[in-house]
Amino acid sequence: GAGVSQSPRYKVAKRGQDVALRCDPISGHVSLFWYQQALGQGPEFLTYFQNEAQLDKSGLPSDRFFAERPEGSVSTLKIQRTQQEDSAVYLCASSSRRGGYEQYFGPGTRLTVT
Amino acid sequence: GQNIDQPTEMTATEGAIVQINCTYQTSGFNGLFWYQQHAGEAPTFLSYNVLDGLEEKGRFSSFLSRSKGYSYLLLKELQMKDSASYLCAVGDSNYQLIWGAGTKLIIKP
Repeated sequence: GAGVSQSPRYKVAKRGQDVALRCDPISGHVSLFWYQQALGQGPEFLTYFQNEAQLDKSGLPSDRFFAERPEGSVSTLKIQRTQQEDSAVYLCASSSRRGGYEQYFGPGTRLTVT
Repeated sequence: GQNIDQPTEMTATEGAIVQINCTYQTSGFNGLFWYQQHAGEAPTFLSYNVLDGLEEKGRFSSFLSRSKGYSYLLLKELQMKDSASYLCAVGDSNYQLIWGAGTKLIIKP
């Protein structure tokens, strides 16, 4: 596709449920980033992949958060045993460069934990 | 520590000019970015400054002073569609973008 896509766009989960959020980056983009964005705030870095290698996961808030990109294209962010504080928009971005400051964002997944 | 400050909200009139300021303190610097984000949508790239001075791109211009840790985004001939949040971000010494909280710009007719 022409841009970064994410699915689902909206997800409501009951506290304690596991969720999986998908990101399809722009084809051929080397770098992929996951961010968490709370209402009225800027994006907060979660993790970074260069191809299939997860080079930085320092932003993941707890061990309930796990991300993978096994073939260097599609990525999945999984949150186990969701809690209310996990409610946020999860943004995925990709870049054609290693590192890749010029990032193209997907529309995000709005997660609401009830 | 890492810190990026920008005003929370600004209001301007259609057809006018507005300047959104951003100050930063980061451990590294590999350029300053401005992104536009409409409500409920993803951020979209507007501009990138790595050297001091003004970069002009149509109705939007961005300025950087590295010695002062300061940037601004200048929007001219404001249109209603410019109502959005404007996010300032700094590239750190590795590859991360450090983001400000964003400035919500409200355009009034």
